[in-house]
Parts: sequence; C-alpha cells; structure tokens
Amino acid sequence: EVQLLESGGGLVQPGGSLRLSCAASGFTFSSYAMSWVRQAPGKGLEWVSTIVDSGGRTFYADSVKGRFTISRDNSKNTLYLQMNSLRAEDTALYYCAKRVIITEYFDCWGQGTLVTVSS
Amino acid sequence: QTVVTQEPSFSVSPGGTVTLTCGLSSGSVSTNYYPSWYQQTPGQAPRTLIYNTNIRSSGVPDRFSGSILGNKAALTITGAQADDESDYYCVLYMRSGTSGVFGGGTKLTVL
Repeated sequence: EVQLLESGGGLVQPGGSLRLSCAASGFTFSSYAMSWVRQAPGKGLEWVSTIVDSGGRTFYADSVKGRFTISRDNSKNTLYLQMNSLRAEDTALYYCAKRVIITEYFDCWGQGTLVTVSS
Repeated sequence: QTVVTQEPSFSVSPGGTVTLTCGLSSGSVSTNYYPSWYQQTPGQAPRTLIYNTNIRSSGVPDRFSGSILGNKAALTITGAQADDESDYYCVLYMRSGTSGVFGGGTKLTVL
C-alpha cells in the first residue's frame, strides 16, 4: 500500500523559513516523480512544485519560484520542500503527491502538513 | 494567463446522474491536456478519480466516468450516492515544465 507521510509544518513569521518532508513507502520511490500541492484555508488546490524521479529536473509554480526548493533523497525515500522568504499567502495545507509523468496526473496523496505564516 | 473553469456548485438527487465540466477561459480542452479529476471531502486529502481523460484510478467505482464533451472535459457520476457529496477538482496539463493547472473546484451536493 502506498503511503505518503508529510511532516515539518508549523507556525512561522513572515520572511522566515521552513522545511517540509514527505516519507514515502509502498512503491519504488526512485522510479517516480513527486510533487507538492497546497490548499489555502477554505480555498482550492494549487500545484506548487514537481521533481523528476532522478532529482535532475525541478519545476515550480510562478508563485513560489525563487523562494521554494524541492529536493529528494532516494536512499531515504523522502521528498523535501525548502520554503524561504515565506509570506502570509503561503499559509496552506501542503500535500505531497506521487506524480505520473507519462499521463500527467497525481496518483496518490498524503494527508498534508499545515504551514501558517503569521506574526 | 489561461484559467481552468469549473462550475462553483452543483446539486444532484440520490440515484441521479450529474456531469461536471472543466473548461478553459480561452480555447478548447482536448485529450492533449490530459484531464484528470480529484474528489475531496471536507477535512480529507484529495482522492484521484480519473486520469488521462477517461481512465479510472484503482478502486474507483465505474459510476464515475470521464470524457470530452464539446470543448470541455467532463466527469459524469451515474447513480449518485450520499457519500459522493464532495468537492471535485479537475487539472489540465498546459505545458512542459509544469504539472498542470487546477480548476477552482465544484462543490457537489446530493439531496
């Protein structure tokens, strides 16, 4: 059974940093692209970032480009999202998702970790 | 910037059939956009329903189906049940270097 378990969320001040993690199990992690998708309170879903299986290519939404960095450690089956220069509008539940590149969809989802940016 | 459009809300009677759509603010949706659909009940993570226009994800009952209707992607629920009451999101893949754009979601009420 595929499991994705996010961690690292919390309360941070504007301008601060936070690193999210997503521990994966139940599938060959190194064979799949992975993504982060977020959902602001009471709002819809927004794609944030994707990293290919090898980690050699990364993609970002314009709203986070230059501030967020996605990475992965295939030896630890773990996905990361380093978030810098955080803004109030980054407040959201952040989901980790397994990405299938060939048919361009999000296959499985974690339960999410909440990031709150507030002074 | 192209916006992905969905009906904000829809209602269906138990046992009824409903079709939710996913369009573009400019242009027509085709299979080249790899439409996918996700269901989210309050307080829960999204669940993948349909990908690549019309392929059901593992475990999804066959009363959920995807298609292209006219110039939009569509999700049809046949024989709606009470637990289908959820938010439904579509995603369209726009271009290389991204992972798609989510629509604003449709809140489906079963009553």
